[in-house]
Amino acid sequence: EVQLVESGGTLVQPGGSLTLSCEASGFTFSNYEMNWVRQAPGKGLEWVSYISSSGSTIYYEDSLKGRITISRDNAKKSLYLEMNNLRVEDTAVYYCARDNSYFDNSGAGYYMDVWGKGTTVIVSS
Amino acid sequence: DIQMTQSPSSLSASVGDRITITCRASQSISTYLNWFQHKPGKAPKVLIYAASTLQTGVPSRFSGSGSGTDFTLTISSLQPEDFATYYCQQSYGTSYTFGQGTKLEIK
Repeated sequence: EVQLVESGGTLVQPGGSLTLSCEASGFTFSNYEMNWVRQAPGKGLEWVSYISSSGSTIYYEDSLKGRITISRDNAKKSLYLEMNNLRVEDTAVYYCARDNSYFDNSGAGYYMDVWGKGTTVIVSS
Repeated sequence: DIQMTQSPSSLSASVGDRITITCRASQSISTYLNWFQHKPGKAPKVLIYAASTLQTGVPSRFSGSGSGTDFTLTISSLQPEDFATYYCQQSYGTSYTFGQGTKLEIK
């Protein structure tokens, strides 16, 4: 079964740090780009970060640049999100999601086709 | 960054109704537009990718259309399990963005 399982979410104080993990199974992890997406309480989905299959290309949501680092270990079939200087507004459920590719008349495109169930980060004093 | 605007933000409908949700991009994104369904406590689920391609396993009552800046998601005959929040998402640029969501509620 194709599966993503996040872990590492917890209660952390403002200014603290945390690393989230996402373990993949049921597919060849090293062949796929990956993303982190979050949902704050009562809010919509927000894309956080992207990493290419090799880890050589990385993108971040502008407002989070400088505070987060995405990484992966293909040998361990795992994706990570390191978060520093956490703020109350970082409180959210964090999902990892696999990017799948397609090709049509417009060229190559991507969509997030496999998602984990999420891990909850609460930033509070 | 590309902004995505959905309308309406919420929608009340009955089982069997046909509904349409619209999504507008702040610049042309060709057909790099995906639609997701999200239920509380669950993982989001992709319904449509490339603006109009139905993801495997998704019922045919769901359909998508559009290109450039204007897109629509249509559910032809609402079923009880369709009441959820729906999001559009662009995959054109180097950063993805979601619309703010449309909450579909039972009338």
